[in-house]
Amino acid sequence: DGGITQSPKYLFRKEGQNVTLSCEQNLNHDAMYWYRQDPGQGLRLIYYSQIVNDFQKGDIAEGYSVSREKKESFPLTVTSAQKNPTAFYLCASSSGQGNEKLFFGSGTQLSVL
Amino acid sequence: GQNIDQPTEMTATEGAIVQINCTYQTSGFNGLFWYQQHAGEAPTFLSYNVLDGLEEKGRFSSFLSRSKGYSYLLLKELQMKDSASYLCAVRDYGSGTYKYIFGTGTRLKVLA
Repeated sequence: DGGITQSPKYLFRKEGQNVTLSCEQNLNHDAMYWYRQDPGQGLRLIYYSQIVNDFQKGDIAEGYSVSREKKESFPLTVTSAQKNPTAFYLCASSSGQGNEKLFFGSGTQLSVL
Repeated sequence: GQNIDQPTEMTATEGAIVQINCTYQTSGFNGLFWYQQHAGEAPTFLSYNVLDGLEEKGRFSSFLSRSKGYSYLLLKELQMKDSASYLCAVRDYGSGTYKYIFGTGTRLKVLA
């Protein structure tokens, strides 16, 4: 079955540590997105990528980094510069054309130890 | 700038009808989406509008007025399982890229 896989489901970060969240899709989608969701809030865009080897900052990119070396993969690194990383992180993809909706992964809950 | 507004919370009774409103401001509007999200889970797609008018899909309908920057999601014959957050999202096109901008979500509580 095609879909988006995020791992791990739960992740804990120590002070000063960088952590990487994985996002893999087998939908052959060109566009991929990372969102952050805080409790009781909507989704805020961190980074997005329309094609391989290209990505753009979203509204809250500070303290995060991404790469898009392969069409299927769009990992997100939460760096030590992100002082308030505790949140639910969602990865999504779309075909990048027409009226295509976003398809979401199941999310990663990141907490600080 | 870009802005999407929707009510924070709504309460309705099982079997009733509820309308969740969404207003938006974007420079490159390219479609409006409604998603349902249960706590701790990923959003699931409900509806899509790009032209003015009403789109109906079972118990759910969505309306769009592009000139007013306004949409609503209508849920009929409410069931307890409809208790969830409902997210309004706008697809925005600019500088050769598409991005999806979400509102803060409306938490709907369905009471017996």
